[in-house]
Amino acid sequence: KNEVEQSPQNLTAQEGEFITINCSYSVGISALHWLQQHPGGGIVSLFMLSSGKKKHGRLIATINIQEKHSSLHITASHPRDSAVYICAVRGTSGSRLTFGEGTQLTVNP
Amino acid sequence: NAGVTQTPKFQVLKTGQSMTLQCAQDMNHNSMYWYRQDPGMGLRLIYYSASEGTTDKGEVPNGYNVSRLNKREFSLRLESAAPSQTSVYFCASSEGWRGETQYFGPGTRLLVL
Repeated sequence: KNEVEQSPQNLTAQEGEFITINCSYSVGISALHWLQQHPGGGIVSLFMLSSGKKKHGRLIATINIQEKHSSLHITASHPRDSAVYICAVRGTSGSRLTFGEGTQLTVNP
Repeated sequence: NAGVTQTPKFQVLKTGQSMTLQCAQDMNHNSMYWYRQDPGMGLRLIYYSASEGTTDKGEVPNGYNVSRLNKREFSLRLESAAPSQTSVYFCASSEGWRGETQYFGPGTRLLVL
């Protein structure tokens, strides 16, 4: 079992829909990251959080430390949101990030 | 600012050939990382440099060497390439090495025949 599991693996939505991507992890963590990988391959960091909730524009990330679970929500989705969304965790004892396999999101107009 | 730059963008090697992937950052970051990304797997850490003058093995270091040339530059060397090293390689940097946001380069696509 991977330390970081994402669901779903693939997600197709219509423009305007509310989208949720889930991330579960099996170890104690000091921080959780959400990243976006564009179709061209570039990777950008969206959020880093260790508790609660963060919001940036139409994106919202939440984390429940007790349940070892995080969600990334996209409100009013748009075709330009089409990308791979990656969850990564940093353990309490180490410095390296452990990455999930990613969720491929396609938003159709 | 260019952020994190990588060269080359794409490379084809024959088994046994050597090459060096170059990475540079202009954000005055202390920490730098090399990852590989393979289909069906998450990004995996090959080596990292927590600060100038130090390097450490990550999850998959076999077959690779690194050099932290100065604070800006962190290179990855394949001494004798193998088909199993066909992958997309990403360099990243962060201000520190404890939980900070990492900034990624555009990637190098490597094909080993």
